[in-house]
Amino acid sequence: AQSVAQPEDQVNVAEGNPLTVKCTYSVSGNPYLFWYVQYPNRGLQFLLKYITGDNLVKGSYGFEAEFNKSQTSFHLKKPSALVSDSALYFCAVREDSNYQLIWGAGTKLIIKP
Amino acid sequence: GAGVSQSPSNKVTEKGKDVELRCDPISGHTALYWYRQSLGQGLEFLIYFQGNSAPDKSGLPSDRFSAERTGGSVSTLTIQRTQQEDSAVYLCASSQIWTGGRYEQYFGPGTRLTVT
Repeated sequence: AQSVAQPEDQVNVAEGNPLTVKCTYSVSGNPYLFWYVQYPNRGLQFLLKYITGDNLVKGSYGFEAEFNKSQTSFHLKKPSALVSDSALYFCAVREDSNYQLIWGAGTKLIIKP
Repeated sequence: GAGVSQSPSNKVTEKGKDVELRCDPISGHTALYWYRQSLGQGLEFLIYFQGNSAPDKSGLPSDRFSAERTGGSVSTLTIQRTQQEDSAVYLCASSQIWTGGRYEQYFGPGTRLTVT
């Protein structure tokens, strides 16, 4: 069965420091992995995805994520956090034979000035 | 171009009333999803439409919930005899035709439903 885990409910980072939001997944076939961000009182916005190719994927707002097949992880990273990055972040996975996205529970990212 | 739109943005209704939520997907997107999100929580899949295929209704929580998609475009989610536990944000998303699952979903701003 497909599943996604975001082990941290909340991540606190000081502005200017690097940030990491963790995501691990479980699928039977090839994974397609996605990160979305939700700002307060707004819908979800697509950040980046891994389909195939380079394990390091770059996305919007300076975010990147690294696909690690052996560790079944797809952690979201940013070299220098901004206060405006504070939001709810969701990881999602789709198996290549399935149309449905499986969503993580979300991680609240708080960036303190 | 225009994104996914949803209406109304907010809906307050009395317990027992019926409500209709509308979603207008991005033009050309053949896949359409409805999700429910309770306050500060993750996404709960409700229903999926793909072109003219029969929808996947496996996520609908009860028979009070139904959805249709007319002409392969606009979709309406209907909740009959609303209950307080139906209070949530209802999100609609669309994506390009599904071929191997590589396309991301684009979300609307959501409809916040409050049942009093």
